[in-house]
Amino acid sequence: DAKTTQPPSMDCAEGRAANLPCNHSTISGNEYVYWYRQIHSQGPQYIIHGLKNNETNEMASLIITEDRKSSTLILPHATLRDTAVYYCIVRPTAAISDMRFGAGTRLTVKP
Amino acid sequence: NAGVMQNPRHLVRRRGQEARLRCSPMKGHSHVYWYRQLPEEGLKFMVYLQKENIIDESGMPKERFSAEFPKEGPSILRIQQVVRGDSAAYFCASSQGLAGVETQYFGPGTRLLVL
Repeated sequence: DAKTTQPPSMDCAEGRAANLPCNHSTISGNEYVYWYRQIHSQGPQYIIHGLKNNETNEMASLIITEDRKSSTLILPHATLRDTAVYYCIVRPTAAISDMRFGAGTRLTVKP
Repeated sequence: NAGVMQNPRHLVRRRGQEARLRCSPMKGHSHVYWYRQLPEEGLKFMVYLQKENIIDESGMPKERFSAEFPKEGPSILRIQQVVRGDSAAYFCASSQGLAGVETQYFGPGTRLLVL
């Protein structure tokens, strides 16, 4: 599986957009980029995933660079409840495989 | 549509006892995954099961740990003769099991404490 690199921590002001970067320079053509978050000690929560096009849902937007070597998760209006560890994961599409969680980015939303 | 359910949410065992963790997947999901999270660490894959079959157990310790997903009922992760190092949060995830991209949805976890 391709390895991902994320900053260990980030801060964001409440109400502002949170932009969380992820590098996946060795990603293969058939691999998707997934984002999950884990709030405190709860179970990981699925946020969004994409292959090459930008994606948006009710929670967030995912921007993938044209060369697919990096991506950014955008929380448009961060709230205190968005404080969590955010994981960027690369997975192949054809195989039903386990999720390889790295260390993630600890996002702290401040009032 | 209920999400992934796990029980118990908290489990305390003494060294040498057995721990049984249960996971009920989301409705319509036939694939189950178990992960372990040690304190202050990330999630580590343990085992992947379909109904009545273990597909991948490469992340599960060879001794004392076993998992099953019977035709009827929840998936069970069983830890025999628990030791203090087994203290962790155990998360279950489920997916539909269709070909192609599979999104896994996680349960709230079972926190095991071994005294």
